[in-house]
Amino acid sequence: QKEVEQNSGPLSVPEGAIASLNCTYSDRVSQSFFWYRQYSGKSPELIMSIYSNGDKEDGRFTAQLNKASQYVSLLIRDSQPSDSATYLCAVSTGAGGTSYGKLTFGQGTILTVHP
Amino acid sequence: EAGVAQSPRYKIIEKRQSVAFWCNPISGHATLYWYQQILGQGPKLLIQFQNNGVVDDSQLPKDRFSAERLKGVDSTLKIQPAKLEDSAVYLCASSLIPGLAIRPYEQYFGPGTRLTVT
Repeated sequence: QKEVEQNSGPLSVPEGAIASLNCTYSDRVSQSFFWYRQYSGKSPELIMSIYSNGDKEDGRFTAQLNKASQYVSLLIRDSQPSDSATYLCAVSTGAGGTSYGKLTFGQGTILTVHP
Repeated sequence: EAGVAQSPRYKIIEKRQSVAFWCNPISGHATLYWYQQILGQGPKLLIQFQNNGVVDDSQLPKDRFSAERLKGVDSTLKIQPAKLEDSAVYLCASSLIPGLAIRPYEQYFGPGTRLTVT
C-alpha cells in the first residue's frame, strides 16, 4: 500500500467548474498536510497547508481534512486555465524521531482546465 | 525575501561520471532537504539536515550519493558514479526549525536541477 495515494488522473474540468482533488494516507500519526502545485518543468509551489480536521479556505482554494478517515482533499472553485498543473499531496508525521518534518508525497494528479 | 537557490539548472553527464549540485536555502531556514523527483512521480526525500547535522538519510543511496552542509547554510549533493536511473530532477527545499514557528513544517522548494545521465 502506498503511503500517500492520490486519485488517478488526469482530471479535466471546464473553466468555471469546481475541481476536486483527493488524497489518502496510511500513517495515522500524520499531523501536517500540504498541497503543492507544480507546473510543467517547474518546482512544487506550496498553495495550502492544513493541520486540524475540517475545512480551510484561501481564496478559490479549500482544503478539507478528515483524520479519522485519513483523507485530505483540495477543492478549486471557479477553475481557470491557469490552474492547469500537477497537484501534489504531501503528508508529514511532524515531530519525533528521524522523520522530523519529513514530507511524503503522493504521485500527483494532473489537472487540466479547458476553456 | 529571496527564495531557495540551486545550481546548475541543467546537467547532462555520461554514466559513471560524477556530478555535484549546490543549494542555498532561504535566509534563516535551519532545515534543508534534498529530494529526487523522477518524471511522473512525486518528490522523494533523499536527505534532511537540521543546521549542519543529518536528521534523516534513510533513503539516500550511500554507495553513490553523498551530501554535506557546512556551516549550516549552503549544501551540496554529489553523485559518484552516476547511473542511468539517476536521471531526475533534484530539488532542494528549506523550512524553519519545526516547533519554532507558527507554520513549522512548510517547505519551500528551489527551481531544481534537471540531471540527464546518458
